[in-house]
Amino acid sequence: EAGVVQSPRYKIIEKKQPVAFWCNPISGHNTLYWYRQNLGQGPELLIRYENEEAVDDSQLPKDRFSAERLKGVDSTLKIQPAELGDSAVYLCASSLGGVPFTEQYFGPGTRLTVT
Amino acid sequence: LAKTTQPISMDSYEGQEVNITCSHNNIATNDYITWYQQFPSQGPRFIIQGYKTKVTNEVASLFIPADRKSSTLSLPRVSLSDTAVYYCLVGDMDSNYQLIWGAGTKLIIKP
Repeated sequence: EAGVVQSPRYKIIEKKQPVAFWCNPISGHNTLYWYRQNLGQGPELLIRYENEEAVDDSQLPKDRFSAERLKGVDSTLKIQPAELGDSAVYLCASSLGGVPFTEQYFGPGTRLTVT
Repeated sequence: LAKTTQPISMDSYEGQEVNITCSHNNIATNDYITWYQQFPSQGPRFIIQGYKTKVTNEVASLFIPADRKSSTLSLPRVSLSDTAVYYCLVGDMDSNYQLIWGAGTKLIIKP
């Protein structure tokens, strides 16, 4: 069974440029998460989807970040414009159930460097 | 919000049993305790989850005392490949089920 797929794996951009990350969750997983992880820290939840609905986006910086999950499958996370402080690893995860206590399967992440 | 406290780092040797303790004093009645493992340049991977007493699977055991204010992840006979960061999470139903990830415990296994 294929795991969570993310692309690109690495991205280097200049500040003020836009950037987008793509995630394909495990087939059949209704719940999808986007996390941001800074060096030496644990993941920080940005947004959680149940199917197409964003049920928790309280930590998403909405002035520059946006996300969508069309048809309840793939998801895209966008930053526009990027700032130096956005440099981090962006992780996508998926799980079966609606309750986030269930096992989350993570992708390898996208390492973003903003110069 | 429920919050966890773990040691920042731990060292051990191959073949030893390693116990990592997590403190979660404000755990709520319905919260579950979950542990994840993360290797460099990879996303976290689920290890084990429990609610009370003891849970065991093929890779680890989780011990939870009656008051549930702490939990201990036990890794039997560790190897070099167990070197990783280990995260303890508590599901916080009071915060829209938001899981709070701490900085984790960096475990280093020496030969």
